[in-house]
Amino acid sequence: DTAVSQTPKYLVTQMGNDKSIKCEQNLGHDTMYWYKQDSKKFLKIMFSYNNKELIINETVPNRFSPKSPDKAHLNLHINSLELGDSAVYFCASSRGESVAGELFFGEGSRLTVL
Amino acid sequence: GQNIDQPTEMTATEGAIVQINCTYQTSGFNGLFWYQQHAGEAPTFLSYNVLDGLEEKGRFSSFLSRSKGYSYLLLKELQMKDSASYLCAVLDSNYQLIWGAGTKLIIKP
Repeated sequence: DTAVSQTPKYLVTQMGNDKSIKCEQNLGHDTMYWYKQDSKKFLKIMFSYNNKELIINETVPNRFSPKSPDKAHLNLHINSLELGDSAVYFCASSRGESVAGELFFGEGSRLTVL
Repeated sequence: GQNIDQPTEMTATEGAIVQINCTYQTSGFNGLFWYQQHAGEAPTFLSYNVLDGLEEKGRFSSFLSRSKGYSYLLLKELQMKDSASYLCAVLDSNYQLIWGAGTKLIIKP
């Protein structure tokens, strides 16, 4: 069984469109994350979310919004896509605050905006 | 501000030993982590240090000196499959993970 799974793996779309990426974890972890990795390979945290609070990186445009229907899912919705949104988006999870540095990543979703 | 520095790229020979350094300046410290990321794949957890000293795990070892804000990842008996990026990350006082830009390790036969 895949621990952290995200879909789709590849997404090609036009500027201005709205798209979503889904993420599910079956590890029973309390916290989930969305990361963006651009062409320079630098990992940037976008959101972290547990059943208590959503922490948003203030540099993330409000076109990006996380949606969590339950503890095992954290989806990423993106409105009005721009060229600069092209990147690989990773979902991840961790057991809790004290072990927040040990992350389990999904395979990544490569978004290309044309 | 918070900062993590590691070399951009290193090259080593199959069978040899390589040391990848990481220095950090963060708001508090709750542990240092090393991750491996092969091209086109997700990062995978390698090691965790919270106390000073060396942690050994097979061919990989990770060292931490909190007073110096310094860590290294030591890879022994290098194999071609070790060609990857190695990411250093620090958990700060708010339990937020601060990432370095990664070191691309190239292994040559």
